[in-house]
Amino acid sequence: GESVGLHLPTLSVQEGDNSIINCAYSNSASDYFIWYKQESGKGPQFIIDIRSNMDKRQGQRVTVLLNKTVKHLSLQIAATQPGDSAVYFCAETGLYNFNKFYFGSGTKLNVKP
Amino acid sequence: KAGVTQTPRYLIKTRGQQVTLSCSPISGHRSVSWYQQTPGQGLQFLFEYFSETQRNKGNFPGRFSGRQFSNSRSEMNVSTLELGDSALYLCASSLDYTYEQYFGPGTRLTVT
Repeated sequence: GESVGLHLPTLSVQEGDNSIINCAYSNSASDYFIWYKQESGKGPQFIIDIRSNMDKRQGQRVTVLLNKTVKHLSLQIAATQPGDSAVYFCAETGLYNFNKFYFGSGTKLNVKP
Repeated sequence: KAGVTQTPRYLIKTRGQQVTLSCSPISGHRSVSWYQQTPGQGLQFLFEYFSETQRNKGNFPGRFSGRQFSNSRSEMNVSTLELGDSALYLCASSLDYTYEQYFGPGTRLTVT
């Protein structure tokens, strides 16, 4: 499969545990954020998004938290499963940036059965 | 509904050559964005097209160019290839006025 990063930080968790993946962003003008999951050999897959006027959003087994004060974003995955093993990226953009996203460097999640 | 398709999936070129990559967006999507992904630099935005017009571009040299056709299909071209252009090139499409992008599987370009 594709190698998306040779020196990515890695988070190893046991199946069934909760995972928390963190991301710091730099542009205080960013007002929209997305978390993506990328499996080997595939393009990034949308997981969940959040706008800057929110500080929390929940999806199925996933929650995104946004702290604009410290420019920090986190992705929480509940009851992590082996199928969640992948590289996770946060991405940010600003209003009227027409889909010009800035991506974080990524975190590799390794779920141990 | 078919996803974003990219062709070819793999490509090997020699330094100095040029290459054209193709992207077909999801039906109904008029915005197409291109990204370069490398182990060292991660995912970097190249440009975005909507209704055959480039609306935004990243910080890449002029050797990187693109276009979009009336059916929303897009191509990107890299001229005078350099070794550092070896990367996974990803295309993403979205409906206008939404940020939710759907990515294709990418084209793996290797420059030797």
